[in-house]
Amino acid sequence: GAVVSQHPSRVICKSGTSVKIECRSLDFQATTMFWYRQFPKKSLMLMATSNEGSKATYEQGVEKDKFLINHASLTLSTLTVTSAHPEDSSFYICSARPAGGANSPLHFGNGTRLTVT
Amino acid sequence: GNSVTQMEGPVTLSEEAFLTINCTYTATGYPSLFWYVQYPGEGLQLLLKATKADDKGSNKGFEATYRKETTSFHLEKGSVQVSDSAVYFCALGRSNDYKLSFGAGTTVTVRA
Repeated sequence: GAVVSQHPSRVICKSGTSVKIECRSLDFQATTMFWYRQFPKKSLMLMATSNEGSKATYEQGVEKDKFLINHASLTLSTLTVTSAHPEDSSFYICSARPAGGANSPLHFGNGTRLTVT
Repeated sequence: GNSVTQMEGPVTLSEEAFLTINCTYTATGYPSLFWYVQYPGEGLQLLLKATKADDKGSNKGFEATYRKETTSFHLEKGSVQVSDSAVYFCALGRSNDYKLSFGAGTTVTVRA
């Protein structure tokens, strides 16, 4: 079945540094990918919609300069947390849908646990 | 805006017990409703869905009915197995599963 690979699965970084998280669709092309974050015991929140070849669409309250999204190809979207702070520590998950498959289900990555010290 | 509230966990059950996870939602319009499952070490997977009122989604022995009058989509399974141990997420989408809103997830552990 369709697989979405997310890397890294776990990262620890120092405050002030930037961290890049990759989301790859391994066996299908995805014009749209979604990025979510989850705080402990809280809902999985949609952060942004990543569109191949164009700018990402951010949800209300999400800082676009803080969370840079690049969807450079039909199989790769990246989320860069810039100048990370401890409050950015969270679980980040991406999802993708095969291009042209409006009725096919979303496929999720395994998530990235970010800890900012 | 759209939101989902689901039963807090964790939930621990014995094998063959009955499982219910409550889920209620707030939404404008007529959303589609979903249950996703995340097994240990894996990504979220679609378990079942319902796209309109009174629809029943079912898969792997799990069922959930879209109840518009009570704005609910409770997940049930009559006889759980150890392999059902996972985190279950209720979700709603504005249009099919576009831009999902998730609940906080409920961790279920089934003991042999």
